[in-house]
Amino acid sequence: GAVVSQHPSWVICKSGTSVKIECRSLDFQATTMFWYRQFPKQSLMLMATSNEGSKATYEQGVEKDKFLINHASLTLSTLTVTSAHPEDSSFYICSARDGRGNQPQHFGDGTRLSIL
Amino acid sequence: RKEVEQDPGPFNVPEGATVAFNCTYSNSASQSFFWYRQDCRKEPKLLMSVYSSGNEDGRFTAQLNRASQYISLLIRDSKLSDSATYLCVVNVGNMLTFGGGTRLMVKP
Repeated sequence: GAVVSQHPSWVICKSGTSVKIECRSLDFQATTMFWYRQFPKQSLMLMATSNEGSKATYEQGVEKDKFLINHASLTLSTLTVTSAHPEDSSFYICSARDGRGNQPQHFGDGTRLSIL
Repeated sequence: RKEVEQDPGPFNVPEGATVAFNCTYSNSASQSFFWYRQDCRKEPKLLMSVYSSGNEDGRFTAQLNRASQYISLLIRDSKLSDSATYLCVVNVGNMLTFGGGTRLMVKP
């Protein structure tokens, strides 16, 4: 079945560091991928929709200059958290869908980001 | 009002019990519906899609009532391994909206 791979799974770094997270669809092409963030004991919140070959669409309240998204190919989207601070520490998850809009999305394993 | 609402629980049930979760959604244009399961510190995993005719997968039964904008999940013969957070998820166009999740704890 469809598989989405996310890397790295865990990042610990100092405040001010920029962190890049990769999301790959392994056996299907995804023109659209999604980036979510989840704080402890809260639900997943959509951050942005990543569109292959065009600019990402950000949800209200998400800083596009802070969270840079690049969807350069049909199988890869990257999220870069620029100049990360402790409040950016969270669980970041990507997802992608193969096929028409009523198909379920498949999620990457998630990236746990801890900023010291 | 949240777009997708769930009782956060926790639901504490003994092994073998039957437990039901409910979910309501506000957007009548919602097109497809899912239940996902999320274990602590893990990504959500698709449990099952939900259809108007109702569907069953082993011990799990999902129901959708479009008129009432209501979705349910029934788990029969609960196992310890069923302990997790269950997310009600609604799809509109290309967008997924998640409920806050219902936490289930199955005790021996």
